[in-house]
Amino acid sequence: DIQMTQSPSSLSASLGERVSLTCRASQEISGYLSWLQQKPDGTIKRLIYAASTLDSGVPKRFSGSRSGSDYSLTISSLESEDFADYYCLQYASYPWTFGGGTKLEIK
Amino acid sequence: EVQLVESGGGLVKPGGSLKLSCAASGFAFSSYDMSWVRQTPEKRLEWVAYISSGGGSTYYPDTVKGRFTISRDNAKNTLYLQMSSLKSEDTAMYYCARHDSGYPFAYWGQGTLVTVSA
Repeated sequence: DIQMTQSPSSLSASLGERVSLTCRASQEISGYLSWLQQKPDGTIKRLIYAASTLDSGVPKRFSGSRSGSDYSLTISSLESEDFADYYCLQYASYPWTFGGGTKLEIK
Repeated sequence: EVQLVESGGGLVKPGGSLKLSCAASGFAFSSYDMSWVRQTPEKRLEWVAYISSGGGSTYYPDTVKGRFTISRDNAKNTLYLQMSSLKSEDTAMYYCARHDSGYPFAYWGQGTLVTVSA
């Protein structure tokens, strides 16, 4: 199985700050990666697919990128609604697997 | 608007069975692949089943293979997950999710809670 190592597991940041989250794949996943956001009420929303393609309606302050086996989600300027849990997901091969999550909190 | 509403969760004893449903609306259900994903109490996400739009292809991880069965009724716009031989480690919130043009998990439901305990 492909392991997705997500870091950091938690992050405290201020409104307006730029933050980046990272997932490292244990095997080649060729960009078959998504980023998900989970709000405190449990609602889950996909933000990015194919490593860097923004889902419709997702604010442009979110972006995804790849450097080798490292995949990053960057939020350019944090807004209050961005404080949530974030997960990466690989769908390059079965079983599809998720990262352990990052809890983004207000500093 | 895409809506996915899960139901059927509850408390079940180890070794027992449970069938979850996911009612879909706001889109042409029969045209989309679907999956079930669960989130443990420790907030870990695990994909547990996939089914193609017509129901002809299904996939499972080894952790549930042989115990869980995904199915769908396209006439009723409903996705199912039949779970048997349940274990305590199956305790989780179960979500259904719609795929989009080969990209998984585009839309998610609100989840239904399954608790396996004596």
